[in-house]
Amino acid sequence: DAGVIQSPRHEVTEMGQEVTLRCKPISGHNSLFWYRQTMMRGLELLIYFNNNVPIDDSGMPEDRFSAKMPNASFSTLKIQPSEPRDSAVYFCASSLAQHTEAFFGQGTRLTVV
Amino acid sequence: SQQGEEDPQALSIQEGENATMNCSYKTSINNLQWYRQNSGRGLVHLILIRSNEREKHSGRLRVTLDTSKKSSSLLITASRAADTASYFCAVLNQAGTALIFGKGTTLSVSS
Repeated sequence: DAGVIQSPRHEVTEMGQEVTLRCKPISGHNSLFWYRQTMMRGLELLIYFNNNVPIDDSGMPEDRFSAKMPNASFSTLKIQPSEPRDSAVYFCASSLAQHTEAFFGQGTRLTVV
Repeated sequence: SQQGEEDPQALSIQEGENATMNCSYKTSINNLQWYRQNSGRGLVHLILIRSNEREKHSGRLRVTLDTSKKSSSLLITASRAADTASYFCAVLNQAGTALIFGKGTTLSVSS
């Protein structure tokens, strides 16, 4: 397996634009997570899916953020409209279960100008 | 607040020396995990220690867990320049739904 695949690796967008981040988890993993990493706040959990169903979205900062998992092999994180304070590295991770080893993608570095 | 917190925030050592990083957490756990992150990359799982284990080894890594003190330590022996990275501990959040991470220890190993 190629591991968790995220796209794009880098995204630069203007304030107010819609941004969509994509993730392909490892085949067979039931749990999928979106995290955001900044220098100030470290690694923050945004949302957790189990068997494609959102279980915990308490970390999603605002209504501007939304995430979907239409099937077991694909998830998206959308920000609309984007703001400069959304600039961060966004990671997708998957695991067999929520308490087992998590496998991370390489991340998407988002810059909102 | 974060469930796990690493200490120190930064550590600089010479090649060949040992590096020790500590992690404290707040609630009861099923297991505790350590991850490494190289600059510009995703996190990579290093080792998992269960709550009923006190010590675990993997190559040059040694992890200890003291559930009475709610703390863990990661020891890297005979460090190498390639060990330069940030190291994070992770435990389940209070809801038991997902791993949450501390802010990490940045280790710099110079040759």
